Amino acid sequence: QITLKESGPTQVKPTQTLTLTCTFSGFSLTTSGVGVAWIRQPPGKALEWLALIYWDDDDRYSPALKSRLTITKDTSKNQVVLTMTNMEPVDTATYFCAHQGDGFEVWGQGIVITVSS
Amino acid sequence: EIVLTQSPGTLSLSPGERATLSCRASQSVGSRYLAWYQQKSGQVPRLLIYGASSRATGIPDRFSGSGSGTDFTLTISRLEPEDFAVYYCQQYGSSLYTFGQGTKLEIK
Repeated sequence: QITLKESGPTQVKPTQTLTLTCTFSGFSLTTSGVGVAWIRQPPGKALEWLALIYWDDDDRYSPALKSRLTITKDTSKNQVVLTMTNMEPVDTATYFCAHQGDGFEVWGQGIVITVSS
Repeated sequence: EIVLTQSPGTLSLSPGERATLSCRASQSVGSRYLAWYQQKSGQVPRLLIYGASSRATGIPDRFSGSGSGTDFTLTISRLEPEDFAVYYCQQYGSSLYTFGQGTKLEIK
């Protein structure tokens, strides 16, 4: 059974850097074709894909946020980390990580991040 | 970047009716890389369809996907009360992912 869980601070101040960790089980990020993605959803709004890292260390970023995002993986810990710099109130959202196989097959429960001074 | 436009924004139907949701891409998407998700209020999105027409594990056969190129459709043959939710299409093209803005399926 595949599970993922997001962790990190629930509140950050404007201009700070957000670091989120996705801890997963039930699959390996060394398996060909597998990836872990980050997606966010502001309150009442649509889903927005942020970044994805593949088993071979290939990484992809949303063009709109590329300059602010870094995604890394630690296969020994079964973790994927997303950092987002220069946080603003508009970045307030629920942040999800998800297992990428055929589509985003399994999602974490999400973590609500509030950006406020 | 490929932009996905979903229509209608809101669809009002009754249980037992057929629902047809549209997703149009700004440029051609490989059919293998088009997915549909369902999100109920306060819940995590759930994968329904991948590869434009393949149902994910455990998805009832009243859900079906079709289309290719720039035009894709999600059809729910007979609506059940639990089907009323927001539906998103998502594509993977040119190595980047995008979601549509969603279609809200509400009870009439």
